[in-house]
Amino acid sequence: AQSVTQLGSHVSVSEGALVLLRCNYSSSVPPYLFWYVQYPNQGLQLLLKYTSAATLVKGINGFEAEFKKSETSFHLTKPSAHMSDAAEYFCAVRPYSSASKIIFGSGTRLSIRP
Amino acid sequence: DAGITQSPRYKITETGRQVTLMCHQTWSHSYMFWYRQDLGHGLRLIYYSAAADITDKGEVPDGYVVSRSKTENFPLTLESATRSQTSVYFCASSEDSGRGETQYFGPGTRLLVL
Repeated sequence: AQSVTQLGSHVSVSEGALVLLRCNYSSSVPPYLFWYVQYPNQGLQLLLKYTSAATLVKGINGFEAEFKKSETSFHLTKPSAHMSDAAEYFCAVRPYSSASKIIFGSGTRLSIRP
Repeated sequence: DAGITQSPRYKITETGRQVTLMCHQTWSHSYMFWYRQDLGHGLRLIYYSAAADITDKGEVPDGYVVSRSKTENFPLTLESATRSQTSVYFCASSEDSGRGETQYFGPGTRLLVL
């Protein structure tokens, strides 16, 4: 079965520091991959997605993620954290065989220290 | 404002009562989804619908019923609420444009079952 693993349920970085949120997927065929962000008391919104085009994907708010097939990873990065980046981040995978279902990771809460 | 809305935003009910959560989208998206979000589990798919009058089970369908008589509405009913159904429920929708399509989420309904 397809799955996605987010390493670290909570990550804390200083304002201005590099943000790195880790995501690994299990799939025999490269799937479609997504990062969603959830701000407090809100629904999820798409940050970026990989759909088998460029392996380095740029998203909103300065985030980007790199698809590495050899490592089955899709880590999310941002060069310089802002206080407004504090939120919960979800990695998600849509298996190639699925026309509709997305499988979400358990989420990583990002905290930003002043 | 167009988009995807959920009602109510907050609900307290008692064990054994029937509860219906509403979801409405204005984009005429083909696909609609219901997820529940619980600490440590991320989002888990309850039911989804590919079009009006077409629904299918997700990962955790037990105790829930859905219907989709109109494209824009996708209500979720808890037939006899249990404490384990205390959760935050999110509705989402997406276009039928391929496997890389984005899901758009509503703001969520916080349900407490006493």
